[in-house]
Amino acid sequence: EVQLVETGGGLVQPGRSLKLSCVASGFTFNNYWMSWTRQAPGKGLEWVASITNSGGSTYYPDSVKGRFTISRDNAQNTLYLQMNSLRSEDTATYYCTRDWDLWGQGVMVTVSS
Amino acid sequence: DIQMTQSPSVLSASVGDRVTLNCKASQNINKYLNWYQQKLGEAPKLLIYNTNNLQTGIPSRFSGSGSGTDYTLTISSLQPEDVATYFCFQHNSWLTFGSGTKLEIK
Repeated sequence: EVQLVETGGGLVQPGRSLKLSCVASGFTFNNYWMSWTRQAPGKGLEWVASITNSGGSTYYPDSVKGRFTISRDNAQNTLYLQMNSLRSEDTATYYCTRDWDLWGQGVMVTVSS
Repeated sequence: DIQMTQSPSVLSASVGDRVTLNCKASQNINKYLNWYQQKLGEAPKLLIYNTNNLQTGIPSRFSGSGSGTDYTLTISSLQPEDVATYFCFQHNSWLTFGSGTKLEIK
């Protein structure tokens, strides 16, 4: 089955770090760009990070640049999002996406003291 | 950054109605426009890519059109299972989502 499964979410204090993982199955992972998108409770969607299929290039919006790092392990079919210096406004459900056509079920991240 | 404006924000229609949702970009996005459906508590699902291409497995009552800065998603005959929020998404220059149209059954 073609799917993406995110893990690693939870409650974290402001200023701390958290690392999300997304395991891909059912398709050739290293053929695709991958991205992370988030959705704050009751709000719209916001692109967070993208990475090329080789992992050689990464892209971020200004809202997370310098704090978040996207990476991938093509041997393990896994995408990562390292989130540092977390803020309350980072509270959201984080989705892993394959080239914008396939989405995981999402993982909740809550930043609160 | 390109801004995406969706209208209306809420749409109420009857089963069987033809429904049109709008998405306007702040500049030309060269048809690099996707539409997603998000049902309550679920992840978004791709319906239409690059303006007018129906994603595999999506019912043919969904269609997309547009060019330049103006794009539409049309549902030819609204069904109860179409209740959802619909987002447009441009991938021409960086990546931006619209704020969504919530579609309800009247």
